[in-house]
Amino acid sequence: EAQVTQNPRYLITVTGKKLTVTCSQNMNHEYMSWYRQDPGLGLRQIYYSMNVEVTDKGDVPEGYKVSRKEKRNFPLILESPSPNQTSLYFCASSLTGGNDSPLHFGNGTRLTVT
Amino acid sequence: AQSVTQPDIHITVSEGASLELRCNYSYGATPYLFWYVQSPGQGLQLLLKYFSGDTLVQGIKGFEAEFKRSQSSFNLRKPSVHWSDAAEYFCAVGTASKLTFGTGTRLQVTL
Repeated sequence: EAQVTQNPRYLITVTGKKLTVTCSQNMNHEYMSWYRQDPGLGLRQIYYSMNVEVTDKGDVPEGYKVSRKEKRNFPLILESPSPNQTSLYFCASSLTGGNDSPLHFGNGTRLTVT
Repeated sequence: AQSVTQPDIHITVSEGASLELRCNYSYGATPYLFWYVQSPGQGLQLLLKYFSGDTLVQGIKGFEAEFKRSQSSFNLRKPSVHWSDAAEYFCAVGTASKLTFGTGTRLQVTL
């Protein structure tokens, strides 16, 4: 089944403890992206990647890192999480990143930083 | 800068009634507009999109949207709502690689 898989679905951690949220897609998509969703703010883009080894900042990149060493994986790294990074995170992918290429979303990762 | 406004945070409609969800956008050029739906515990699913041409676009699940340049609007409509349409709906503007989302409208459907 074609899908975007995020892990874990739920994560509770403490301030300053490094964590990684994984994202994997099995559709051979070139483009991948991370969003965070907060009440009253909608979805905001954190980082995106047009291809392997090519990443770029979105609207809210501060406090996050990403890497794209392989086409299928796009992990989101929080080196030193803070409570303001408590949020619902979504990974998305599309074949090309073009407008004729719809985004496929994962089911989300709910992160709580205490 | 591009932006999207969804003025209704929460809407309740009866099953079988018609639905219209409002979306206003700001974009420097010809806009690329999208509507997504998010069911509880799920990711977002594309309902429909507008790039150019016919200003009335049809999507999945019986939804349609009309682009009105003079009003900077892209409202989503459905003639008859089903209980399974209860979800959160997001309007978005921009290119697929750089989307700006609205804050969402939560739809509740009463039986």
